[in-house]
Amino acid sequence: AQSVTQPDIHITVSEGASLELRCNYSYGATPYLFWYVQSPGQGLQLLLKYFSGDTLVQGIKGFEAEFKRSQSSFNLRKPSVHWSDAAEYFCAVGAPLMEASGGSYIPTFGRGTSLIVHP
Amino acid sequence: DVKVTQSSRYLVKRTGEKVFLECVQDMDHENMFWYRQDPGLGLRLIYFSYDVKMKEKGDIPEGYSVSREKKERFSLILESASTNQTSMYLCASSQVSGTSGGERFFGPGTRLTVL
Repeated sequence: AQSVTQPDIHITVSEGASLELRCNYSYGATPYLFWYVQSPGQGLQLLLKYFSGDTLVQGIKGFEAEFKRSQSSFNLRKPSVHWSDAAEYFCAVGAPLMEASGGSYIPTFGRGTSLIVHP
Repeated sequence: DVKVTQSSRYLVKRTGEKVFLECVQDMDHENMFWYRQDPGLGLRLIYFSYDVKMKEKGDIPEGYSVSREKKERFSLILESASTNQTSMYLCASSQVSGTSGGERFFGPGTRLTVL
């Protein structure tokens, strides 16, 4: 079974500083990887995803993530954080659901990292 | 624009009550999911459905049931609410496609408090 670890529960950065949120996964095959963001009181929104190809993927809101197979990691980065980036961030790894569902995948979510941005 | 809606943003119920949480998606997605979200525990899958009238247990199905009579609607039922079911409940949907890899579209969530 797959699993996801987000080792940092909270991260605090100053506005304008760079950001890296860590994500490590465990899965036997090439995974599908996702980062989601949840603003306070809201549902989750997809930031970016990796399926195959270029290991550096670009997402919305200026975020990017790099898939490193050798380290089983998919860390999220942003060069300059804005106050509006304060939110909860979830990493997820997808694995096949079941044959009956026609090839759908069911992600396993990490426990989340809460980003605090200081002015 | 893709949309998943949940019937209530906030709900307060008493112990022992039967509770219905409704979720509707307008994207013609085959798959629908119910998660609960608790601080420090992330998202945990309760039930999912990959077709009308089909359902599968997730990681924490105890105390819950689901109903999917129509493709666009997926209901979560708490037969007899208990205080440990106080939580944020998130509904999601996804299409059946290997290329999507299971990308979820989430509703805004229902914060349920059981007194």
